[in-house]
Amino acid sequence: EAQVTQNPRYLITVTGKKLTVTCSQNMNHEYMSWYRQDPGLGLRQIYYSMNVEVTDKGDVPEGYKVSRKEKRNFPLILESPSPNQTSLYFCASSSWTQYGYTFGSGTRLTVV
Amino acid sequence: GNSVTQMEGPVTLSEEAFLTINCTYTATGYPSLFWYVQYPGEGLQLLLKATKADDKGSNKGFEATYRKETTSFHLEKGSVQVSDSAVYFCALIPTQGGSEKLVFGKGTKLTVNP
Repeated sequence: EAQVTQNPRYLITVTGKKLTVTCSQNMNHEYMSWYRQDPGLGLRQIYYSMNVEVTDKGDVPEGYKVSRKEKRNFPLILESPSPNQTSLYFCASSSWTQYGYTFGSGTRLTVV
Repeated sequence: GNSVTQMEGPVTLSEEAFLTINCTYTATGYPSLFWYVQYPGEGLQLLLKATKADDKGSNKGFEATYRKETTSFHLEKGSVQVSDSAVYFCALIPTQGGSEKLVFGKGTKLTVNP
């Protein structure tokens, strides 16, 4: 089944403790992207990648890192999480962005 | 810049009622337009899309037509069901610069009562 898989689905962590949210897609898509969803602010892009080793900042990249060492994986790294990064995170991938993205099921992160 | 404006919710309808959720956009060139749906506790699913003017996207009884002259992409369904209760997002991908980024509207929550 074609899908984007994120892990974990839920995560509660403490301020400053490094964490990684994994994202993997099995569709051989070139484009991958991370979004966060917050009440009243909607969905905002954090980072995106156009292919292996090619990444760029989205609208809200501060406090996040990404890497794209393999085509299928696009992890999101929070080196020192803070409470304002408490949010619902989505990974998405696409073969041709004009046709839209396929989204993962989301990761609900709480930083206390 | 590129932006999407969709009608504020929440919208509450009775089963079998007609649904319209308005969406207008601002973008240069000819963006691709999308409707995504988010069911409770789930991720976003692509509902339908249109990539050029006058295209009509359709899926699961939902329709939307790409209107370049009014910069609109309104979502319609003739007879809603309880299972259509969800949050609906209008979105675009611009064709000029930053073409990898989906620009979303704020979302419209739809509740359908039996």
